[in-house]
Amino acid sequence: DTGVSQDPRHKITKRGQNVTFRCDPISEHNRLYWYRQTLGQGPEFLTYFQNEAQLEKSRLLSDRFSAERPKGSFSTLEIQRTEQGDSAMYLCASSLVEGEAFFGQGTRLTVV
Amino acid sequence: AQSVTQLGSHVSVSEGALVLLRCNYSSSVPPYLFWYVQYPNQGLQLLLKYTSAATLVKGINGFEAEFKKSETSFHLTKPSAHMSDAAEYFCAVSGNFGNEKLTFGTGTRLTIIP
Repeated sequence: DTGVSQDPRHKITKRGQNVTFRCDPISEHNRLYWYRQTLGQGPEFLTYFQNEAQLEKSRLLSDRFSAERPKGSFSTLEIQRTEQGDSAMYLCASSLVEGEAFFGQGTRLTVV
Repeated sequence: AQSVTQLGSHVSVSEGALVLLRCNYSSSVPPYLFWYVQYPNQGLQLLLKYTSAATLVKGINGFEAEFKKSETSFHLTKPSAHMSDAAEYFCAVSGNFGNEKLTFGTGTRLTIIP
């Protein structure tokens, strides 16, 4: 296993369209996190899964955002009715030990 | 609640000089502290972490950081900068078990002058 994998790496979409991102964590990692990073800022926490259970959601995660982790393996993050303000890098991370998160390379979303 | 403040959004040092990146934290519980490095268009790589064991933590690529509770600081240092150290560095904090998310600072961009 080579690490956390995210797909796609880049996504350009028109405002109002729906987009879905996928994250494959390191196998045997039971914790999975989504973060969002805008230019010049540090990553901001969006949501967190332990196995298939979504344990915490940030207030940043509006009703247009939904995340799933069926069967506690890969996860998807969907954004409905995208807005220009959604343009950012979306980072996925997984961990086995508390706090020691391993990050994927991210999906860069551009909403035009 | 936890937060971190990174002093200096940009730091430039000469190759071979000391690298010092500053991070101060705020936490209502004993913190877990981390330094991550990010290269352009890449994810974040863990450099080192403090989890209430030794206060001086050694990480990868010759970096180390010292946890100072009295100063609420966790500054990152490297004795001799290398060109390959040029990147963005993020300090992060998380709380005790049960508070799993990381709260990041705004980052410090390190430039190495040849």
